[in-house]
Amino acid sequence: KAGVTQTPRYLIKTRGQQVTLSCSPISGHRSVSWYQQTPGQGLQFLFEYFSETQRNKGNFPGRFSGRQFSNSRSEMNVSTLELGDSALYLCASSSSGAGVGNTIYFGEGSWLTVV
Amino acid sequence: TQLLEQSPQFLSIQEGENLTVYCNSSSVFSSLQWYRQEPGEGPVLLVTVVTGGEVKKLKRLTFQFGDARKDSSLHITAAQPGDTGLYLCAGEILGDDKIIFGKGTRLHILP
Repeated sequence: KAGVTQTPRYLIKTRGQQVTLSCSPISGHRSVSWYQQTPGQGLQFLFEYFSETQRNKGNFPGRFSGRQFSNSRSEMNVSTLELGDSALYLCASSSSGAGVGNTIYFGEGSWLTVV
Repeated sequence: TQLLEQSPQFLSIQEGENLTVYCNSSSVFSSLQWYRQEPGEGPVLLVTVVTGGEVKKLKRLTFQFGDARKDSSLHITAAQPGDTGLYLCAGEILGDDKIIFGKGTRLHILP
């Protein structure tokens, strides 16, 4: 079955702009979680959505937001971009949740560069 | 606060050698996972360990969960160039439902 699909793969934005990233989970998976990966901080949890509801949230400012649609597809939005937002944004899906007890499957990520 | 410390950060060794990488914390985890991430791709799950003292083997890779469930190790026997990648450990703190990732060990196997 098709894996987790993220779009776009690469994008460049200017400081102050906003960006929307999209994630299509594996068919049948209801949980979608988002992560930010940078060389300095590693992989950090942003938030998790399950059946259109945000179930968990990491320690990121309110500029980072997300939503999930009825078909489980998810989007995340970053407003007022800062240089430090440059990162690989990873989406992961799972059938029941983002806890380690469940298997999560990552997409290839969206590379965001803020200039 | 980095709750999961991975060491070493970088490791470059010759093909055929053995190696061990570590994942340590002061927190107790209900379970812990190891992932491998290759350039341009997302992490791929290798194993989940749940029970303190548990040992799991995946071909030449041996994973161990510490007795107190605060640490884990990954041992690779006779490393091969295909083992090159970023190895990440991830744990779920007891009582929480979020995954915490370590910063990873970047492994490079020289042919």
